[in-house]
Amino acid sequence: SQQGEEDPQALSIQEGENATMNCSYKTSINNLQWYRQNSGRGLVHLILIRSNEREKHSGRLRVTLDTSKKSSSLLITASRAADTASYFCATVEQGAQKLVFGQGTRLTINP
Amino acid sequence: GAGVSQTPSNKVTEKGKYVELRCDPISGHTALYWYRQSLGQGPEFLIYFQGTGAADDSGLPNDRFFAVRPEGSVSTLKIQRTERGDSAVYLCASSLGRGVLDGYTFGSGTRLTVV
Repeated sequence: SQQGEEDPQALSIQEGENATMNCSYKTSINNLQWYRQNSGRGLVHLILIRSNEREKHSGRLRVTLDTSKKSSSLLITASRAADTASYFCATVEQGAQKLVFGQGTRLTINP
Repeated sequence: GAGVSQTPSNKVTEKGKYVELRCDPISGHTALYWYRQSLGQGPEFLIYFQGTGAADDSGLPNDRFFAVRPEGSVSTLKIQRTERGDSAVYLCASSLGRGVLDGYTFGSGTRLTVV
């Protein structure tokens, strides 16, 4: 079963603009992770944020986590055509080991 | 190897046949996960191994699905009496098994098509 929802389901922006994707989840979590997937195959781990963290940065990526609202956002700054992909949030529930994924956001960067 | 390897990359089989999908995790990764992804959906959890044992198989859809990891490294996902609804990309991932500290490393998946 899916943990939650991602918003928007699809996003199309111009190269150089910032892209923001949101994720909501339902349970108490240990951590939340973001993954990128190109062409429907292997997923690439982007960033992990723990439940006691509120914000994390990695290069052009910024992730926020609001456990009171059970939501997270992923911001990609200065987008590039190569950022075109599907982006998934995934959570590890407290006391569990498995990742539970959302439905994903399809991001298209137009040159 | 440097990454998680899945074979075959594509498999076409006839309805009712038996298939095996293989996953070679990163050396030293004790945790191994199988997921299934249908078109336009997020990956859905199937089973998780810690070492040789299945720690959580709650995602296996029915008893036609079975997975093993006899030596704590390579894993095989086995599907009996395949149905057209089993068509999907089957993804394998591994991690160091430190729980909250780890991201997963995914393989490129096996695209299974049941005709």
